[in-house]
Amino acid sequence: DTGVSQDPRHKITKRGQNVTFRCDPISEHNRLYWYRQTLGQGPEFLTYFQNEAQLEKSRLLSDRFSAERPKGSFSTLEIQRTEQGDSAMYLCASSLGTPTYEQYFGPGTRLTVT
Amino acid sequence: QKEVEQDPGPLSVPEGAIVSLNCTYSNSAFQYFMWYRQYSRKGPELLMYTYSSGNKEDGRFTAQVDKSSKYISLFIRDSQPSDSATYLCAMSQGANAGGTSYGKLTFGQGTILTVHP
Repeated sequence: DTGVSQDPRHKITKRGQNVTFRCDPISEHNRLYWYRQTLGQGPEFLTYFQNEAQLEKSRLLSDRFSAERPKGSFSTLEIQRTEQGDSAMYLCASSLGTPTYEQYFGPGTRLTVT
Repeated sequence: QKEVEQDPGPLSVPEGAIVSLNCTYSNSAFQYFMWYRQYSRKGPELLMYTYSSGNKEDGRFTAQVDKSSKYISLFIRDSQPSDSATYLCAMSQGANAGGTSYGKLTFGQGTILTVHP
């Protein structure tokens, strides 16, 4: 399978704990995106990378959130001191960047904070 | 007011019906328009991708964009039970003055569609 993969698929954590998610994009895609989706809503943009550079961050991405893409391949999203409001599906997508705007999504990581 | 508005439905139709899904938007800078299909507890799957105004057809699916009205549509002909899913519209701006394309997609809320046999 050469699609976007995410790990883990599900994560249950207690409030206050740190969690880290991983995303592996489609191999030739230079852009990688993170979105968050809550029940009954469309995905909301968090941040994106072109190669290893983080080019844009949403105001939704508080100081407790950090994302990295150290070698321009896989990416990690860390949430520190989780809160119940962080419970959501975290989606990763990748694209070839310019000139295409088509983004391909992974299956998501479902986070539940208890 | 949200930048992209989409009627959440739910929409229930009989098999074989023509389905019309719609989104309106307020940001005139949007130039790229996409439709995604999302099954329960799965990631969104890209269905159609359109640049600027006009129509695009792919099998049973037709996407329409009317930039003058800030209105986009997705039509599904001969709908099947397997089409039952949430349909999301998404939009993106073009490139900035330096030629770098914007990365962010702005999504609608999604419309829940059920096609019953």
